[in-house]
Amino acid sequence: AQSVAQPEDQVNVAEGNPLTVKCTYSVSGNPYLFWYVQYPNRGLQFLLKYITGDNLVKGSYGFEAEFNKSQTSFHLKKPSALVSDSALYFCAVRDGFMNYGGSQGNLIFGKGTKLSVKP
Amino acid sequence: DTEVTQTPKHLVMGMTNKKSLKCEQHMGHRAMYWYKQKAKKPPELMFVYSYEKLSINESVPSRFSPECPNSSLLNLHLHALQPEDSALYLCASSQGRDPYAQYFGPGTRLTVL
Repeated sequence: AQSVAQPEDQVNVAEGNPLTVKCTYSVSGNPYLFWYVQYPNRGLQFLLKYITGDNLVKGSYGFEAEFNKSQTSFHLKKPSALVSDSALYFCAVRDGFMNYGGSQGNLIFGKGTKLSVKP
Repeated sequence: DTEVTQTPKHLVMGMTNKKSLKCEQHMGHRAMYWYKQKAKKPPELMFVYSYEKLSINESVPSRFSPECPNSSLLNLHLHALQPEDSALYLCASSQGRDPYAQYFGPGTRLTVL
C-alpha cells in the first residue's frame, strides 16, 4: 500500500532562513508525489508535484522539492522563509491509476507539518 | 481558471435537518472528490466521481449522499447527521488522468448541534 510520512509535527524557522519540511514515501511502482499547503480555515492549495524527470521540482510561492529515490524522500524546501509561509503543509502520494471503467487514483496524505516562521 | 468553489462557507445544522453542500468547477475536470477534514488532521477521502459516475465510496455512512448532476457540479446531501460529523468538508477536482494534481475548494465548515 502507498503511504507517506511526515516525521515532524512542527517546524520553526526564523524569517529569512532556509526551511525544509520533510516527507518520506512508500510506494509500489513509480511514485507520484505532491505538496499542498493549508492556511487556517482554508482549503488545500497545490504547491508542486513530482511525476518524472528532474529530481528538483519547482512550485508556487518560491517553494521547491527534491525527489530522492534512494532515500525515498520528497522534502519541501525554500531558500528564504517568509512569515506568510506559516501554515500547515501536507505531503501526498497518488494511489492507483485512472481507470475509465473503475477506480480513480486518489491522494493519500501525510499527517501534516505545521510550519511557523517568526520575524 | 484553477478554481473550485464551494457553498455555503459555513453551515450549522441540527441532527434532524436536511441540508446540502455544493461544489462547482469550470476547469473541464472529469473527476471530482469529497473529503472530510477534522482540525489539524489530513483530509479523509469520502467519495470519488469519475465522468459523473460514483467510482469510490469509502464506506461512508448513508447519512451522507453524494450527487453529481453534471460534469461541473458535485453535491453532498446531509441528513440526520451526528455531532461527530462536524468538520471541514472539502471538494476537489482533477483532470481524471493520473498523475495530475487535485485542486481543492475552500471548504464548507459544518457544525452539527
